[in-house]
Amino acid sequence: AQTVTQSQPEMSVQEAETVTLSCTYDTSENNYYLFWYKQPPSRQMILVIRQEAYKQQNATENRFSVNFQKAAKSFSLKISDSQLGDTAMYFCAFMKHEANSKLTFGKGITLSVRP
Amino acid sequence: DTAVSQTPKYLVTQMGNDKSIKCEQNLGHDTMYWYKQDSKKFLKIMFSYNNKELIINETVPNRFSPKSPDKAHLNLHINSLELGDSAVYFCASKGQGAVEQYFGPGTRLTVT
Repeated sequence: AQTVTQSQPEMSVQEAETVTLSCTYDTSENNYYLFWYKQPPSRQMILVIRQEAYKQQNATENRFSVNFQKAAKSFSLKISDSQLGDTAMYFCAFMKHEANSKLTFGKGITLSVRP
Repeated sequence: DTAVSQTPKYLVTQMGNDKSIKCEQNLGHDTMYWYKQDSKKFLKIMFSYNNKELIINETVPNRFSPKSPDKAHLNLHINSLELGDSAVYFCASKGQGAVEQYFGPGTRLTVT
């Protein structure tokens, strides 16, 4: 079974600064996907970024980038130039590379961006 | 234009009642999911259907019964509601061969 661990329950960052959210996971699979989802107070689940395990290059999406360390089973999210709208819960998630696979989520981290 | 919709968005009911939550997707996806987000915000898979066939059934009490009348709909019926069923229930869908799951807006269920 897969597990996803987010050990920091909450973090705070000053607007325009950079923050890194940590995530580790455990799996015996070799091929899988990793995701970061954002859940603002509206509770809508929004996909921020995804990483395919077979790709060595770290994924980037505008101000969001990941540091994927496959051997260490680590998948951190870096948010650059933090904005007030980034205030939300962030969930790290794992999915096997197979048809109809489910998402396994970490416990989430609450990020607050201070003005 | 809503891709994945859920009704109702809020549901308040008493213990012992039976209730249903409906989910519809207009994306032409083959696979649909129900996730539960508990009071501590932890998200966990409950069920998954592919083309109306149940393919994932986690350890969920049998008071919960999903039903997929067609591949665009996945409903969740809950019998004999308990206080611990209070949560946000999310529906999601995914296309064949795709990776990303698209989530509905969630249904906040409160059992009093």
